[in-house]
Amino acid sequence: GAVVSQHPSWVICKSGTSVKIECRSLDFQATTMFWYRQFPKQSLMLMATSNEGSKATYEQGVEKDKFLINHASLTLSTLTVTSAHPEDSSFYICSARDRSGLATQETQYFGPGTRLLVL
Amino acid sequence: AQKVTQAQTEISVVEKEDVTLDCVYETRDTTYYLFWYKQPPSGELVFLIRRNSFDEQNEISGRYSWNFQKSTSSFNFTITASQVVDSAVYFCAVAYGGADGLTFGKGTHLIIQP
Repeated sequence: GAVVSQHPSWVICKSGTSVKIECRSLDFQATTMFWYRQFPKQSLMLMATSNEGSKATYEQGVEKDKFLINHASLTLSTLTVTSAHPEDSSFYICSARDRSGLATQETQYFGPGTRLLVL
Repeated sequence: AQKVTQAQTEISVVEKEDVTLDCVYETRDTTYYLFWYKQPPSGELVFLIRRNSFDEQNEISGRYSWNFQKSTSSFNFTITASQVVDSAVYFCAVAYGGADGLTFGKGTHLIIQP
């Protein structure tokens, strides 16, 4: 089945530094990828929709200058947390949309997530 | 706007008992998709089911079954003969399209005691 990978799986950084998280679709092309954030013991919240070759669409309340998204190819989207602070510590999960089948069979596959800890 | 309510924050049952996880959703869309995901302690989301709004047939997959009631906007999930390995957080979600960004409920932490 389709596989989506994320790198790194774990990252610890100092406050003020920037962190880049990669999301790759390994065996299909994903024109659209999604980024979610999950704080401990809470639900997943959609942060943004990443479209290949165009600007990302951010959900209300998500700072686009803080969370930079780049979707430069059909298999890779990156999320950069700029000037990270302890409150950005969270579990970041991406998903990729697979449109290779019929429209009614479109689905999305989730990556394994990246745990970010900002000290 | 879409919203999903999972009123049960935590459920604890003894192994082999049946357990039902409730999910109530809100959406203004006439066409929408409903999902259930399992999240074990590792954090990775495990896809369980996707159902579109035009298909109200209940579904059974092994020990898992889902009851979709459009009239009450509910999409409940039942595990029969629960096992310790079923322990996880379960999320219900809704989306406009089958592959669109999801709106998740807060999740139900299911604990199966041996």
